[in-house]
Amino acid sequence: DAGVIQSPRHEVTEMGQEVTLRCKPISGHDYLFWYRQTMMRGLELLIYFNNNVPIDDSGMPEDRFSAKMPNASFSTLKIQPSEPRDSAVYFCASSGWAADTQYFGPGTRLTVL
Amino acid sequence: TQLLEQSPQFLSIQEGENLTVYCNSSSVFSSLQWYRQEPGEGPVLLVTVVTGGEVKKLKRLTFQFGDARKDSSLHITAAQPGDTGLYLCAGGHDMRFGAGTRLTVKP
Repeated sequence: DAGVIQSPRHEVTEMGQEVTLRCKPISGHDYLFWYRQTMMRGLELLIYFNNNVPIDDSGMPEDRFSAKMPNASFSTLKIQPSEPRDSAVYFCASSGWAADTQYFGPGTRLTVL
Repeated sequence: TQLLEQSPQFLSIQEGENLTVYCNSSSVFSSLQWYRQEPGEGPVLLVTVVTGGEVKKLKRLTFQFGDARKDSSLHITAAQPGDTGLYLCAGGHDMRFGAGTRLTVKP
């Protein structure tokens, strides 16, 4: 079975540009999580969805960040406009109805110049 | 928000040594998970502990959940270079992660 799929794997952009990260969760999973990881701050939860509905977005840094889940098999995390401090590895993870085990994608390494 | 504190933050040991890392909180958790993350990859689940006082073994790794379900430990026996990585604990209904323990095992 395919695991969580993220694209792109690497993204280099310039400050001010819009960035869209994509995630396909494991089929049948009810929960989808977006995380950001940096050396300084570790793994930070940004937002999570249950059955395509955003449940907690308190971790989203500011209005420049937005996330959508239009259907059970696809989610996006958008940053507009991007800033150098947004440089990090962004992970998507999904889990089943119990939400007690998360399966992570390979991550997107974002560099904002 | 239920916070998880992990210690030590960094640990560097020689191959063959034993080690223990900790995950502590002031909150009670229905379950805690331990993950290992290798460079360039996402975290991978090692184990889930559910019952207070529970001990689970995974080859040379021993996981324990505190009686009060507020803390957990991971003990590695005879560490090997392949154990090198970032060890993360997670818990709570929204699956928050601790900052992790970065383990380096030198050959």
